[in-house]
This record gives sequence, structure tokens and C-alpha cells, in this order.
Amino acid sequence: AQSVTQLGSHVSVSEGALVLLRCNYSSSVPPYLFWYVQYPNQGLQLLLKYTTGATLVKGINGFEAEFKKSETSFHLTKPSAHMSDAAEYFCAVSGAGGYQKVTFGTGTKLQVIP
Amino acid sequence: GAGVSQSPSNKVTEKGKDVELRCDPISGHTALYWYRQSLGQGLEFLIYFQGNSAPDKSGLPSDRFSAERTGGSVSTLTIQRTQQEDSAVYLCASSLPLAGGRRSYNEQFFGPGTRLTVL
Repeated sequence: AQSVTQLGSHVSVSEGALVLLRCNYSSSVPPYLFWYVQYPNQGLQLLLKYTTGATLVKGINGFEAEFKKSETSFHLTKPSAHMSDAAEYFCAVSGAGGYQKVTFGTGTKLQVIP
Repeated sequence: GAGVSQSPSNKVTEKGKDVELRCDPISGHTALYWYRQSLGQGLEFLIYFQGNSAPDKSGLPSDRFSAERTGGSVSTLTIQRTQQEDSAVYLCASSLPLAGGRRSYNEQFFGPGTRLTVL
């Protein structure tokens, strides 16, 4: 069984400020963890993923996330927000190997204030 | 094609009518997934295809929902006797053949979705 909790359905930051989107997961097996971004009227796009190895993973558009097993967390960060970062962000978890169902969180809408 | 395409982009229907939603995956992607995205609910898994077979259809919410895939390519999600609670965005994703191995993963590529409104 697996689940994802995203804290905060809406997050607002000022342009240039730190972006922090929180994600906690639950998984009965070693997890794969993902962050996806969805721009208005578009499908989801993979930002970054953790499968194995280094716990700090870097993705596209300057985003990164750190897998913390002890905290069961995979928070998404970006040092300086841009207006173009305004979108909805989804954290997701799956098991490892072959076909594994991906379970998504409920999403966090990021608003960037000029 | 360049990406996953879905049609129609928007569908408005009356309660009780049947609807068909279409997904064209990326060429060569043998794995295909359907999800439902409702307001405030995140993405809900519906069904997974590998080729033309559906080894995991555990997410279909009722027997009004069905899906098929022909030729290992195009997939159709059919909702019979639509209800207002079926209103949502239906997303399709595809990926390369799923490799074995404990740490394998194939990225899912998503289409833009079909927004279904049941009046």
C-alpha cells in the first residue's frame, strides 16, 4: 500500500523567493518518488524523480528535491521563483521494478506574485 | 506523433448518455494508462494496458466504465450512462515497455486530457 500527502493545496510566493512544496509519502516497499508539473490545460510533465543513489535529485527548470527516508519526505524546492513557475505540482510514489502503480497526491497550486 | 494526443479536448454530455474518449500514445510506447483528475482529488488511476491487454483495471470505478486498446496503439475509454459525478478531466499517459529489474522505471508521458462535463 502506498499514499502521498501534499501539505497545502495552494502556495503563494513572491518572485525571487524560495519555493518549498511539501510531500510526505507512505510505502510498504522502498519507494520511487516523483514530482510532476501541470500547466493550465496541459498534461503532466515529469520534473524529477528519485529511484536510487543520491538522495538529492535535480530536475528541470532549477527544481530539486531531497529524499529523506527518516522523515518519509520528498519536498520540492527552488531557490528563486519565476513567474513561469506558476502551475500545479503533483508528488507521486510507486514501488520498484516492472509495472508498479503510481499513486499521486492531490496537488499544490503555486502562485508567483510579481 | 510528437506526444500523447487525446480527443476530444472537451466533451459536454447529458446525464445518461454514453461517451467515448480517445487516446493516441507515443509511437512505440506499449504501456498505456488512464487516469481521472477531479477537482481537489489529484489523479485517480483507472486502468493500465500492456499492448492490447489490461493486466490492471482495478481503478475502474464501476461497470459503466470500460476501455479497450487495439493494435497496441489507440485506446478508447467508454463511459456508459454517464452521471454528474463522472465530470472530470480524463488523462492518458504512455510509456516504453516496462523493463524488469528491481529498480527499473519508465517515465510516463501524459496527454493534455479530455475535460468531460455531464449536465
